Order: sequence, then C-alpha cells, then structure tokens
Amino acid sequence: SQQGEEDPQALSIQEGENATMNCSYKTSINNLQWYRQNSGRGLVHLILIRSNEREKHSGRLRVTLDTSKKSSSLLITASRAADTASYFCATDDGGGFKTIFGAGTRLFVKA
Amino acid sequence: EAQVTQNPRYLITVTGKKLTVTCSQNMNHEYMSWYRQDPGLGLRQIYYSMNVEVTDKGDVPEGYKVSRKEKRNFPLILESPSPNQTSLYFCASSLFGGYGYTFGSGTRLTVV
Repeated sequence: SQQGEEDPQALSIQEGENATMNCSYKTSINNLQWYRQNSGRGLVHLILIRSNEREKHSGRLRVTLDTSKKSSSLLITASRAADTASYFCATDDGGGFKTIFGAGTRLFVKA
Repeated sequence: EAQVTQNPRYLITVTGKKLTVTCSQNMNHEYMSWYRQDPGLGLRQIYYSMNVEVTDKGDVPEGYKVSRKEKRNFPLILESPSPNQTSLYFCASSLFGGYGYTFGSGTRLTVV
C-alpha cells in the first residue's frame, strides 16, 4: 500500500529559487518524515513533524503539516545545485511500526 | 562512525540460487527494516524488526525471509530468487519505531 504520494513527480528550478514539494497521505498518522536521496544512494533523514505540530524548520527547510487535509509540504529556500536529489515523504500507518514511503519528487537545481 | 553496513553492494545471481544480504548497525538501534526500491514505486517495506527475535511483515514480504538473532544484525534471505526480485535493496535502522532512519548504502540485486 502506498501511503504518501509526492507532487510534483519532478521539479526543475534555478539556483537561488525556492522549491516546494507536496505530500498527501490516506490514513491517520502519528508523524511524517522527509528524506533526501542522491542518485541511488541511501536515504538521508531530513526532518520529522509530529501529528500535533503544524510547522517545523531546520536550516533552509520548512515543513508544514495539515492533518485535516492529510497533506504536508517541504519548502527548500534559496536552493543550491547540491540540493539536486529525490525527496521522499514517509509516514507511519497509525500504529507506528510500519513506515511507508511515497514515490518521491525529483528536484533538479540548475547552477 | 555511526552507520548501517550492507553487503554486498552489487550482486548478480541466477534464478533459484539462495542468497543472503547482510545488514549490520553499530548504533545499538532497536528497530531495523528492509526496503526495496523500484522505479516509479518508491520504497516498499519488506520486513521490519522491533527488537531481537521480533520481526513482522511489511507490504511486500513474499519471497523473503529475515532473522534477528542479535541486535546489530538483520540479514535478508532470498531462498529461491526470481527475476521479479531484481531491485535496489536498502537496510535501515532507528533507535525505536520507524522514526529517523539511518540507511545503508544499498544492494543492487539482479536475478537472471
């Protein structure tokens, strides 16, 4: 089953612009996470937001969560070429022990 | 260095020949999990383990086995691999639950 679905599938922007990716999910969750993957390598955890939080920041990252709409967004401000990667959202299944990933958004930042 | 180590990185095998992909973590994490990644499908969970001797199925467990005899190791076993198991496999661990995973570097498996 696929819980999180990212939108858009791919995004191409210029260096310095902001990048926004969205994630929608289907069932109640305890938390939502965002990960980054550089070309086929292992995923790297970026940020976790709990179901009772609405917004969270970490450096140039801003994550929002709207549990009423079952959606989250990841904003990367002042993007850099090094931000080129695939970004995945991941949720639990409500019970907390399974982690379900979406298909990802591929971000390309042009220098 | 805190890490999850998977071996091998690349593996080409033939249909039906049993294989094991090893996974080891040095962070004393309780939770470990296996995922496969296929184009357009994202990561799908195969099995997870909440602690030693405690394992459970993920979304795509068919054709795979796991064991968790020690806290640090969580091998993935394919008893009779088939071509549809050709994929990129990731092992991941976290302190508890499935939060804040540390991922291994991946194992690219080809079954011919």
